[in-house]
Amino acid sequence: AQSVTQLDSHVSVSEGTPVLLRCNYSSSYSPSLFWYVQHPNKGLQLLLKYTSAATLVKGINGFEAEFKKSETSFHLTKPSAHMSDAAEYFCVVSEVQGAQKLVFGQGTRLTINP
Amino acid sequence: NAGVTQTPKFRVLKTGQSMTLLCAQDMNHEYMYWYRQDPGMGLRLIHYSVGEGTTAKGEVPDGYNVSRLKKQNFLLGLESAAPSQTSVYFCASSNLMGLPETQYFGPGTRLLVL
Repeated sequence: AQSVTQLDSHVSVSEGTPVLLRCNYSSSYSPSLFWYVQHPNKGLQLLLKYTSAATLVKGINGFEAEFKKSETSFHLTKPSAHMSDAAEYFCVVSEVQGAQKLVFGQGTRLTINP
Repeated sequence: NAGVTQTPKFRVLKTGQSMTLLCAQDMNHEYMYWYRQDPGMGLRLIHYSVGEGTTAKGEVPDGYNVSRLKKQNFLLGLESAAPSQTSVYFCASSNLMGLPETQYFGPGTRLLVL
């Protein structure tokens, strides 16, 4: 069975400093991996997805994630945090093609301090 | 192009009442999904559909029914609401093309069962 563990429930950084949101996954097969962001009282928006074409994946708003099979990790990073990055972030794994049944991590709340 | 829309945005029910949540998408997507989101947890899949006239159970289907009579609509029904069904419900849709598929989410329906 597939599963996702987000190692931090809450991360707080200062504006302009780097962001690191950690995610480990468990999968029996080659996984598809995603990061979604949820701003307060909004739906979820895709930040980036891992397609097995490249281990370093670039997403929207300056975010990127690196797939490390040996460590079963898919950590999300951004070089410089902006106030608008404050949101809940979900790491997601899926193995099934076609109707993809996504398995979500518990979420990491990112707070940006001025 | 509205994407994925959900009706209603917020609803309060008494235990035992019934209601239907409506999800509509205008992207001609084949697949549609219903999730629930509870505090401290990621989204969990309730039911999904791989096409018009088809539905299937997800991770937490008990107490819910769904129907997909038209390709653009996916209905989630609660026949006899219980306080444990207090949650935020998200609908999503995705297409056959572009594996791994990106799921597009609606803004959510907040349901309170008293």
